Amino acid sequence: GENVEQHPSTLSVQEGDSAVIKCTYSDSASNYFPWYKQELGKGPQLIIDIRSNVGEKKDQRIAVTLNKTAKHFSLHITETQPEDSAVYFCAAKNTGNQFYFGTGTSLTVIP
Amino acid sequence: DTGVSQNPRHKITKRGQNVTFRCDPISEHNRLYWYRQTLGQGPEFLTYFQNEAQLEKSRLLSDRFSAERPKGSFSTLEIQRTEQGDSAMYLCASSRPNSPLHFGNGTRLTVT
Repeated sequence: GENVEQHPSTLSVQEGDSAVIKCTYSDSASNYFPWYKQELGKGPQLIIDIRSNVGEKKDQRIAVTLNKTAKHFSLHITETQPEDSAVYFCAAKNTGNQFYFGTGTSLTVIP
Repeated sequence: DTGVSQNPRHKITKRGQNVTFRCDPISEHNRLYWYRQTLGQGPEFLTYFQNEAQLEKSRLLSDRFSAERPKGSFSTLEIQRTEQGDSAMYLCASSRPNSPLHFGNGTRLTVT
């Protein structure tokens, strides 16, 4: 099956700085890569996604990049705000419709 | 779109008891997933339905776990003879084909 690794496990940044979270995956057939934000006591919420035929996607302060050759993808958050503080998960979906999640990154934005 | 609804939000039970959780997916979503999440970990896949058919089960899903999705609408996850190791957040998610998962807020199970 697929194996998704995520780094770092914790990340602290000053408000206004950028945050980068990186993930690698093992199954070259994986074709869809969503990112989720999870706040305390809630389920994960989709924030951005990318398909394997695209190298980069941006939505306001959030961007995701995908390198299929190296099998890694990254989440970039610019101009961070305190409300960005949460746990972020990357995921990879294989051709069998299963989603495999990373172990999460706890992001703290310091005002 | 009222979102994925899970009940109860919290469940405390004694070891050895049976528990049942319910998930109501987004109405037009034909796929429904159950995941388990422990502290500091990402969601771990348990099982997946397409309409009423259970298409895949993880090896994590022991014989004490059973899931159903009668008529392809809501789903239930039952755990029999609960153990302390079953304590976790149980997440339900639904989706359309080739679309992202939409998660509920989970049921937190504590086995004492």
